[in-house]
Order: sequence, then structure tokens, then C-alpha cells
Amino acid sequence: EAQVTQNPRYLITVTGKKLTVTCSQNMNHEYMSWYRQDPGLGLRQIYYSMNVEVTDKGDVPEGYKVSRKEKRNFPLILESPSPNQTSLYFCASSQQGASTDTQYFGPGTRLTVL
Amino acid sequence: KQEVTQIPAALSVPEGENLVLNCSFTDSAIYNLQWFRQDPGKGLTSLLLIQSSQREQTSGRLNASLDKSSGRSTLYIAASQPGDSATYLCAVWLSYGKLTFGQGTILTVHP
Repeated sequence: EAQVTQNPRYLITVTGKKLTVTCSQNMNHEYMSWYRQDPGLGLRQIYYSMNVEVTDKGDVPEGYKVSRKEKRNFPLILESPSPNQTSLYFCASSQQGASTDTQYFGPGTRLTVL
Repeated sequence: KQEVTQIPAALSVPEGENLVLNCSFTDSAIYNLQWFRQDPGKGLTSLLLIQSSQREQTSGRLNASLDKSSGRSTLYIAASQPGDSATYLCAVWLSYGKLTFGQGTILTVHP
């Protein structure tokens, strides 16, 4: 089954404790992206990757890091989480970004930073 | 900075009505425009992609139009059904990889 998986699905942590949210797709997609969704602000893009070893900033990259060492994986790293990073995070993938009519989204990771 | 606005923020209609959701964007230099659907507690589902050179796209009861010069797109849903209840999101591709979303229209279709 074609899917994007995210782990963990729920996470409660404390300020400053480094964490990684994993994202994996099984469709051999070149494009992957991370978003956060907040009430009143909607979905905002954090980072995206056009292919292995190619990443670029979205609209809200501050406080986040990403890496794309393998085509299937695109982890989101919060090296020193703060309460304002409490949010619902989505990972997505597609064959070729803007030219692809189907973007596949993961189920979301709900992060709470205390 | 590109801003995407969706009107109305919420809409409640009886089953069977035809309806229009509106999306506007401030910078007409877009790559493509895409409509998504989000069900409560779930990720997004792609509905329609309109390339910047196109005027509209259709899929089943859905029709999306794009007027790039005026910075507007509409999503037309024909013969609405309770199963259409969801949040509908408009998003513009600013480049091959950069995507900006509107805040969405919450649609409720009641029997």
C-alpha cells in the first residue's frame, strides 16, 4: 500500500530536549516536505526536499533541521524545542513536487513542548 | 510575501446544493495551484491541480478554475453530499517545491 508514515504520532516533551520526528515513504518519490498546522495560522511549510541531499527552506524553517540522506526518509529534527513549536506536524511526498497532482500526506504528529 | 486567502471561512449548506469556495492570492507569479481536502484528525487529500497555463480542471463533481492575472481560484462542488463535509484548502506553488496554503473553508453539508 502506498503510504507516508510518521513516527511518533504523539509526543510530549520538555523545552530543550532534542527530538526527531521520522517520515518515510514507500513510493520512491523524489519530493518530500514538512508542514506545521496551527489554529488560526493554517498549514505552513517548514522545509522541502527535491531529491536526496537537496533541501530548501519553506516559510517557517527557524528552529528546525532536516536531512535527506536516503530517498525514502526525511526526518525533522528539533535540536532545542520550545513551547512555540507545539503544533501538529505533517510530512508529505510526491513524485515531482509542483508538477504532480497527487501529494501524499502522512497522518500527522502531534507535538507538545512543555 | 505570497498570501493566500480563502472565503468563506465556514459554510453550512443542505444536501444537494451547488456551492463555490473562493481562494485569492497576492502574487500572480505562481507555478501551479492546488486544492486539498482535510477530514478531522487526518492528513490532507489532493483534489485538483491546476497548472498556471490552465484555466480549469474537473474531477467528478468538482471543478476548479484559475484566473492567474486576478489572483483568484474557485472550487465548485456540484450536488453536495454529507460526505463532502470537510475542510477545503487552497494552496499555491511558488516554485517547484515551495507551497503556501490558505487557512481553509470548513464545509458542512447537512442531510
